Amino acid sequence: KQEVTQIPAALSVPEGENLVLNCSFTDSAIYNLQWFRQDPGKGLTSLLLIQSSQREQTSGRLNASLDKSSGRSTLYIAASQPGDSATYLCAPVTDKLIFGTGTRLQVFP
Amino acid sequence: DTGVSQDPRHKITKRGQNVTFRCDPISEHNRLYWYRQTLGQGPEFLTYFQNEAQLEKSRLLSDRFSAERPKGSFSTLEIQRTEQGDSAMYLCASSLGALGTNEKLFFGSGTQLSVL
Repeated sequence: KQEVTQIPAALSVPEGENLVLNCSFTDSAIYNLQWFRQDPGKGLTSLLLIQSSQREQTSGRLNASLDKSSGRSTLYIAASQPGDSATYLCAPVTDKLIFGTGTRLQVFP
Repeated sequence: DTGVSQDPRHKITKRGQNVTFRCDPISEHNRLYWYRQTLGQGPEFLTYFQNEAQLEKSRLLSDRFSAERPKGSFSTLEIQRTEQGDSAMYLCASSLGALGTNEKLFFGSGTQLSVL
């Protein structure tokens, strides 16, 4: 059974900092891994998808890495902004997505 | 492409009542998923469909829960004899095909259920 852990559970930082969000998973037999953003009371927005054969994927200020063999993924957020405040969820993918509990990020001006 | 649509957005009901939620996936998306999310937790998988066939059900889906996708388009999730523990956000998602190497999952805004 896939188990997903995200560290830290919560993070509060001043604007402009570079951030590292960690995700670990127990079953490495995955097709890919997706990172999502969730604003309070809202659905999930896909940020990045890393295929199992890839090591990194970048979109703007976001960069995600994947080490499938060790069951780890990392989301880097460069030059954080107050608009980045949200919960970030990772989900390794087999025939369905299994989610971690997320990292709640607050970026203050 | 209007995205995944869920109705209603909010539902308040009394314990013991039945409720039904609807999900309209993105047009031509063959796979449809239901998840449940409680406060402070990540979404938990409930069930998914390939067209009209229900391929997997989680142990979380007790016999009070039933999901259907009769024509392979929209789906309904019904909860009978609701309990306070059913209070949660119910999320629907769809994908064009199987979640292979490059297939993304698109989520709706969810239905927030409150059981009093």
